[in-house]
Amino acid sequence: ETGVTQTPRHLVMGMTNKKSLKCEQHLGHNAMYWYKQSAKKPLELMFVYSLEERVENNSVPSRFSPECPNSSHLFLHLHTLQPEDSALYLCASSFLPGLDDTGELFFGEGSRLTVL
Amino acid sequence: AQKITQTQPGMFVQEKEAVTLDCTYDTSDPSYGLFWYKQPSSGEMIFLIYQGSYDQQNATEGRYSLNFQKARKSANLVISASQLGDSAMYFCAMREGDSNYQLIWGAGTKLIIKP
Repeated sequence: ETGVTQTPRHLVMGMTNKKSLKCEQHLGHNAMYWYKQSAKKPLELMFVYSLEERVENNSVPSRFSPECPNSSHLFLHLHTLQPEDSALYLCASSFLPGLDDTGELFFGEGSRLTVL
Repeated sequence: AQKITQTQPGMFVQEKEAVTLDCTYDTSDPSYGLFWYKQPSSGEMIFLIYQGSYDQQNATEGRYSLNFQKARKSANLVISASQLGDSAMYFCAMREGDSNYQLIWGAGTKLIIKP
C-alpha cells in the first residue's frame, strides 16, 4: 500500500452540498495535516493533528471541519463551500518534529476540489 | 517580508545537464530546517532533501544536493545529470525552531527538462 492515500482524487460539488475528503496513512506517523494548494499561492496549512489532538487551526473558515478518529485516518468535512475554495487539498503525515526527527512530511496525491 | 523566496518561476534545462534551483530564506531563529519537495503533475509532494541549520556539511541524497550558504541565507537545490522525469514543480520550505508544525513554503519553480 502507498504511504498516504487520499480519496476521492477529484470532487465536484455545488455550494449547498456536504462532502468529505478522506486521508489514510500507513507509515506509523503520529501527526497528520491538511494543506490547501491554490494556483499561484504558496501551500497553506489548514489543520494539524498530533496524537489525534488538533494542535493547529490556521484561521480556517468553519465550512471546513476536520476529524481525526485515530492516528491513521484524517477527514475534512466540507459544507456550503464557495467557488474560491476550489483547490487541491493535500493530506500529509509525519513523525512529531523535534530534536530526534526532522518531521519531514509525506504527502498524498491530493483531492482536486471544484466548487460550482 | 517573504520568509521563503524562490526567484525562478520557471526553468528549461537540457537533459543530462545539472540544474540549480534557487531558494533564499529569512529567519531570526538560530534553529531551523530547510526542505525541498518535488511535485509532479500527479499532485503528490515528494520529499527530496533536508538541511538543518546546525548541519556542518551540505546535505546530499543521490542526484540531489543542497548548496547551503548560511551567511547568505541561501539553500539552493542542485540536481545533477537531469532526467526527463525531473520535470515538475519544486518547492523550498522552512521550519523555524525544532518542534514547530508549521512549514513556510515558497511559491515554487516549474522545471522542464528538454530531451
